[in-house]
Amino acid sequence: GQQLNQSPQSMFIQEGEDVSMNCTSSSIFNTWLWYKQDPGEGPVLLIALYKAGELTSNGRLTAQFGITRKDSFLNISASIPSDVGIYFCAGPNGQNFVFGPGTRLSVLP
Amino acid sequence: NAGVMQNPRHLVRRRGQEARLRCSPMKGHSHVYWYRQLPEEGLKFMVYLQKENIIDESGMPKERFSAEFPKEGPSILRIQQVVRGDSAAYFCASSHRDSNQPQHFGDGTRLSIL
Repeated sequence: GQQLNQSPQSMFIQEGEDVSMNCTSSSIFNTWLWYKQDPGEGPVLLIALYKAGELTSNGRLTAQFGITRKDSFLNISASIPSDVGIYFCAGPNGQNFVFGPGTRLSVLP
Repeated sequence: NAGVMQNPRHLVRRRGQEARLRCSPMKGHSHVYWYRQLPEEGLKFMVYLQKENIIDESGMPKERFSAEFPKEGPSILRIQQVVRGDSAAYFCASSHRDSNQPQHFGDGTRLSIL
């Protein structure tokens, strides 16, 4: 089945820094979803992308649908402590979605 | 504006017992998905259901696991004769209309097997 790769696997940044992470697939997708999971909670949908090249923002978060349709990027500007968590990308896999392994973000004060 | 509701949040069972996990989808959502998450790992798809139908159960073990989404009431994920390896967080998600709509997740049930 479909598999997604996320990079980096984990990252430690200083508060105030910008963050970039990406997600790649071996197959072409027509939808990309980005989720964030806080410890002990379920994933929360951050951004949904539906068109190649699309750039969508949600506050300090910006996500892009890669023009090859095999990748997507998530950027967080001016990170704050509450950005800590695991960021998952997801793409369609038949009648459901496949999730990447996640990027674990730690923000140091 | 209730989101996806899962209960219980924590469930402890002894080996050999049965575990029942419940999920009420968001209002207006008729598609339910169950995922399993082990510590430090991502979400693994288990089963996708619509009302009274199992659409895709390719991620669910053939033995001991079953799922239903009746016409009335919540979706149920049932694990019979639990073993230590069943310990995990089980998440339910729901979506509106069709299967490629974004899924919204509950806060999960953390199952611990003694």
